[in-house]
Amino acid sequence: GESVGLHLPTLSVQEGDNSIINCAYSNSASDYFIWYKQESGKGPQFIIDIRSNMDKRQGQRVTVLLNKTVKHLSLQIAATQPGDSAVYFCAENIRKDQGGKLIFGQGTELSVKP
Amino acid sequence: GAGVSQTPSNKVTEKGKYVELRCDPISGHTALYWYRQSLGQGPEFLIYFQGTGAADDSGLPNDRFFAVRPEGSVSTLKIQRTERGDSAVYLCASSLQAAIRGTDTQYFGPGTRLTVL
Repeated sequence: GESVGLHLPTLSVQEGDNSIINCAYSNSASDYFIWYKQESGKGPQFIIDIRSNMDKRQGQRVTVLLNKTVKHLSLQIAATQPGDSAVYFCAENIRKDQGGKLIFGQGTELSVKP
Repeated sequence: GAGVSQTPSNKVTEKGKYVELRCDPISGHTALYWYRQSLGQGPEFLIYFQGTGAADDSGLPNDRFFAVRPEGSVSTLKIQRTERGDSAVYLCASSLQAAIRGTDTQYFGPGTRLTVL
């Protein structure tokens, strides 16, 4: 979706809890989705991706869920740690038509309390 | 470190001046992307290269913005007659290939923070 405003949605969790970050994407033709983590002053860091022929993919402590019916993507982080504090962006891509162009969502700021 | 590098890390310029921002992609990556990120927002696509050619420049906001990649490796984003609204972080990313099934994950550099006074 399009980014709007300067105030990011914020999720505050306790260390050790699980985190769920949600994203609504904009284009039903998108066939590739990525989650990035961005720490202050740094570029986005790849976390995990998923193709539209899947509805779930797991990585190390992270799981991405894709619901194409409602155009919804979520990132689950297990046993959240202080080092997970950052802004998380989802991004979508229509590979066939748009090549490598990524469209980023607004972002969610994750704050982990020790 | 063999990641994407960008120089300078910070650039302060005056309105109306010309600036160049440089990106060194990961060695062997054929695709290179430029994005712009304003405060509190996600990156916005500007242009991407497959090899030396610009495969998609639909995100360039106007003709003051131009990018080149003459040898298929390093890229330079050029902004003429800078305006205050150009102030943002300019991010570069590279991937092994673009839009091909498989390893085309985009890896980002740290960005160049451009401030136009």
